[in-house]
Amino acid sequence: KQEVTQIPAALSVPEGENLVLNCSFTDSAIYNLQWFRQDPGKGLTSLLLIQSSQREQTSGRLNASLDKSSGRSTLYIAASQPGDSATYLCAVIDGSSNTGKLIFGQGTTLQVKP
Amino acid sequence: NAGVMQNPRHLVRRRGQEARLRCSPMKGHSHVYWYRQLPEEGLKFMVYLQKENIIDESGMPKERFSAEFPKEGPSILRIQQVVRGDSAAYFCASSPRRQGRIQETQYFGPGTRLLVL
Repeated sequence: KQEVTQIPAALSVPEGENLVLNCSFTDSAIYNLQWFRQDPGKGLTSLLLIQSSQREQTSGRLNASLDKSSGRSTLYIAASQPGDSATYLCAVIDGSSNTGKLIFGQGTTLQVKP
Repeated sequence: NAGVMQNPRHLVRRRGQEARLRCSPMKGHSHVYWYRQLPEEGLKFMVYLQKENIIDESGMPKERFSAEFPKEGPSILRIQQVVRGDSAAYFCASSPRRQGRIQETQYFGPGTRLLVL
């Protein structure tokens, strides 16, 4: 059974710092991995989607990498800003799925202090 | 192109009442997923529907919960005889699933926060 874990559960950094969020999954057979952002009381915003054949994706100050063989993904945030404060969720579509349902980690809650 | 719409955004019910949550997918999307986020827990898949069909309801509680996605109108998640443990945020996501690809991005709505008193 596929399980997704995110470490750390919470992170507090000063503004301007580069940081890395970690995501691991137990079964390397996945279709893709997606990183989301969730603001308090709000919905999910998709940040980056990495297909199983890809190694990384970049968008602005965000870079996500995928190592399927080790079951790991990292989300790198460069030059963090207070507006980056949110909960970051990682999710996979398991390779055995024929429905595309997402399996989520518990999330990492990030606080960037001015 | 409007995003995924959910209403109501907040819903308060007393124990034993019914809760109806609505989801309108993005234009052109005929695939809908429902997820539940319990307090202090991650999002969990509940059900996947296409127009007029339930494809996968493996994440739905066996009793009191039902879902539909009619030919016309929004998808409905219905919870009968609500209990306090049903208090959660319920999110809907839609996907175009072009050529049946399950790797397509899912677009999430803002969620409905259900509080059962």
